[in-house]
Amino acid sequence: ETGVTQTPRHLVMGMTNKKSLKCEQHLGHNAMYWYKQSAKKPLELMFVYNFKEQTENNSVPSRFSPECPNSSHLFLHLHTLQPEDSALYLCASSLAGTGGAGAEKLFFGSGTQLSVL
Amino acid sequence: AQTVTQSQPEMSVQEAETVTLSCTYDTSESDYYLFWYKQPPSRQMILVIRQEAYKQQNATENRFSVNFQKAAKSFSLKISDSQLGDAAMYFCAYRSAEGGGADGLTFGKGTHLIIQP
Repeated sequence: ETGVTQTPRHLVMGMTNKKSLKCEQHLGHNAMYWYKQSAKKPLELMFVYNFKEQTENNSVPSRFSPECPNSSHLFLHLHTLQPEDSALYLCASSLAGTGGAGAEKLFFGSGTQLSVL
Repeated sequence: AQTVTQSQPEMSVQEAETVTLSCTYDTSESDYYLFWYKQPPSRQMILVIRQEAYKQQNATENRFSVNFQKAAKSFSLKISDSQLGDAAMYFCAYRSAEGGGADGLTFGKGTHLIIQP
């Protein structure tokens, strides 16, 4: 257990549905990340939040909408997804920007396996 | 932009033997971090070992060690005395040391490690 919890573990949704993925960390970290993991492809960084402010958006389609209400919680709101969005979505956190030892390490959750029908 | 290449989609090793997983990367930066993460069937990415680019000494963590060749931009992982619990996907990852560490990791495609009993 790394201290990063993601819910739900599995999600099946239609292309017209609206759903949200949730991530919670109890490590006192200030940076949180969303990654997409598709088969046969490297993990793709989607969004980065540092002290609740979005600092990176890697050209992610607008049908993915992140929300970071505080440093411990991160959401990914989904709407009108496409079948090619089916993937494992991983959340991670770190002590970014502090300069402390080990601040560069990312701690991951177990992911949400998303299937879009 | 940085890239990470893992040229071995799959590796197989006998239990108790030693195996080496390869990783090369491309960057114009001089200060960065390199990581090996393990992803077992539970899907959670677990940090195995990390290396700081400005440290010449190769990192070691129990049965896991790396061979870091900065000039060659090579970062291989050696697993000694392989155990059944080592079976997993292994990902090599890169992170810049600039920007306060507020960015994410760049991952390779991964190597699937099979342990033969």
